[in-house]
Amino acid sequence: KAGVTQTPRYLIKTRGQQVTLSCSPISGHRSVSWYQQTPGQGLQFLFEYFSETQRNKGNFPGRFSGRQFSNSRSEMNVSTLELGDSALYLCASMGAGISEGRGYTFGSGTRLTVV
Amino acid sequence: GQNIDQPTEMTATEGAIVQINCTYQTSGFNGLFWYQQHAGEAPTFLSYNVLDGLEEKGRFSSFLSRSKGYSYLLLKELQMKDSASYLCAAGVNTGFQKLVFGTGTRLLVSP
Repeated sequence: KAGVTQTPRYLIKTRGQQVTLSCSPISGHRSVSWYQQTPGQGLQFLFEYFSETQRNKGNFPGRFSGRQFSNSRSEMNVSTLELGDSALYLCASMGAGISEGRGYTFGSGTRLTVV
Repeated sequence: GQNIDQPTEMTATEGAIVQINCTYQTSGFNGLFWYQQHAGEAPTFLSYNVLDGLEEKGRFSSFLSRSKGYSYLLLKELQMKDSASYLCAAGVNTGFQKLVFGTGTRLLVSP
């Protein structure tokens, strides 16, 4: 089955602009999580959606938001971009739970550069 | 809070054995994952331990001690392609399921 698809792969934006990233999970997966990855900081949890509901949010400012659609596709939005938002944004989907033993399946990520 | 610690960087020689350690302090712990991530690519699943003990899968093995909050990933017969970052992640359930990641260990395998 198809994996997790993230678009776009690369993005360059200017400070102050806003950006929307998209993630299509594995078919049948209802949980979608978003992570920010920067050198030295590892994977920082942004938020998780399950069946169109945000179940949890990490410690990021309100400029970071997201949503999930009825087909489980998810988008995240960052408004008023700052230089520090430059990072690899990873989306991960999960099936019934980690009892499946595989945890998350990650997409290839979107590399966002803010200039 | 949730805390995962692993070394930042390790080096090893092709053909050797390397052990990457991970300690964790989490609430609602229900399993330990290891992922491999090559530069510029997505993390890929390597192993999952929920019970104490060693899980062997080819050249890679993973160990878990829940009482000590400790895990390690053992890589044998190292190959150049094993140069990557290795992410330790604790599965936690505090009302819902999520993974908490360490910062990753960058492994460099030299000839």
